[in-house]
Amino acid sequence: GDSVTQMEGPVTLSEEAFLTINCTYTATGYPSLFWYVQYPGEGLQLLLKATKADDKGSNKGFEATYRKETTSFHLEKGSVQVSDSAVYFCALSLRGNNNDMRFGAGTRLTVKP
Amino acid sequence: EAGVAQSPRYKIIEKRQSVAFWCNPISGHATLYWYQQILGQGPKLLIQFQNNGVVDDSQLPKDRFSAERLKGVDSTLKIQPAKLEDSAVYLCASSLDVGSYNEQFFGPGTRLTVL
Repeated sequence: GDSVTQMEGPVTLSEEAFLTINCTYTATGYPSLFWYVQYPGEGLQLLLKATKADDKGSNKGFEATYRKETTSFHLEKGSVQVSDSAVYFCALSLRGNNNDMRFGAGTRLTVKP
Repeated sequence: EAGVAQSPRYKIIEKRQSVAFWCNPISGHATLYWYQQILGQGPKLLIQFQNNGVVDDSQLPKDRFSAERLKGVDSTLKIQPAKLEDSAVYLCASSLDVGSYNEQFFGPGTRLTVL
């Protein structure tokens, strides 16, 4: 079935380090892809999205490119901050399917000063 | 703009008891979702409403879970009777309408512990 697999955590980085969180998907159609972030004690927030192949989503220094050939949507940031510590979820939504979102298991990121 | 509101934030009950969760979506949002997030996993959709009608409840354990959105605004999710495996965070989300381009806005969740 349609699903998302993301890199297991936890991930611990020092401030200003480069971040990559891997995400790959399996889908029968042409999904939209998302990264959500969950800060401690808060609900999920949309971080970025891409709706078709080769689109790049970006927000707050994070970016991810929709790669159809590798069925991937890896999240990257060039220089992380302590405030980026959170759980990151990759997700897909199948078009015309009532916005049915499928989430990955989440990757916990801790950034140390 | 006020976000999605949920209550209570935390609930501890014993197995076989009943529990109810409440959600008030963002004003004007037609679509409302309930998700179950078990520790260490991503959210899993339980039920989706479009106004006061059910769009998808295929993953709702209907023998013990029920949900309603009678006036097309706020919603209640109930578990009766609860089992140990129901321990999870229950997330409510809303979006303007159905469609994969409509961002879903999430509430803070209700953390349920079943003892």
